[in-house]
Amino acid sequence: GDSVTQMEGPVTLSEEAFLTINCTYTATGYPSLFWYVQYPGEGLQLLLKATKADDKGSNKGFEATYRKETTSFHLEKGSVQVSDSAVYFCALRDGNNRLAFGKGNQVVVIP
Amino acid sequence: ETGVTQSPTHLIKTRGQQVTLRCSSQSGHNTVSWYQQALGQGPQFIFQYYREEENGRGNFPPRFSGLQFPNYSSELNVNALELDDSALYLCASSLNRGNYGYTFGSGTRLTVV
Repeated sequence: GDSVTQMEGPVTLSEEAFLTINCTYTATGYPSLFWYVQYPGEGLQLLLKATKADDKGSNKGFEATYRKETTSFHLEKGSVQVSDSAVYFCALRDGNNRLAFGKGNQVVVIP
Repeated sequence: ETGVTQSPTHLIKTRGQQVTLRCSSQSGHNTVSWYQQALGQGPQFIFQYYREEENGRGNFPPRFSGLQFPNYSSELNVNALELDDSALYLCASSLNRGNYGYTFGSGTRLTVV
């Protein structure tokens, strides 16, 4: 079935550093792609989305571009803040309207 | 507009017991999906209800069952609880099976001992 793979391990970086979290997907069609963020003790919040190839989703300084040729949807932010510390999940919506999630990446931003 | 509300927020059950989790969908939404998130993992799709009918199911055994009511709220029932059922259970509501996005609740943390 359709699936999402995120880079392994937590990400620790200093405030104002550049953040990249890699995400690749496997799908039979052209799914919609999402990034969700989860703060401690909370549910998932939609961060951004893209629905077709070459679309760029953006929100709160985060960006991700839907790359069909590399089946990727990497998340980037130019200058992170301590408040960006959270777990980030890449996800796709398959043809049955189910969300398939990656394992998530813990991001820790150090002041 | 109200968001998605889940209850209870935390729950401890003994192996072999049964549990019911509840979800109130966002106003105007007619679809509810349930996900299981084990510690350190991404959420896994359990099933979806659309207008009171099951509309897809993930790779979960039949002891996981659900209901959706006429007001589009929903219940997740798990029978014969196992230790591995310990997880955060997330409910997501949407309009028309997710065509316009999903709103997640804060989840119910279930611990099976």
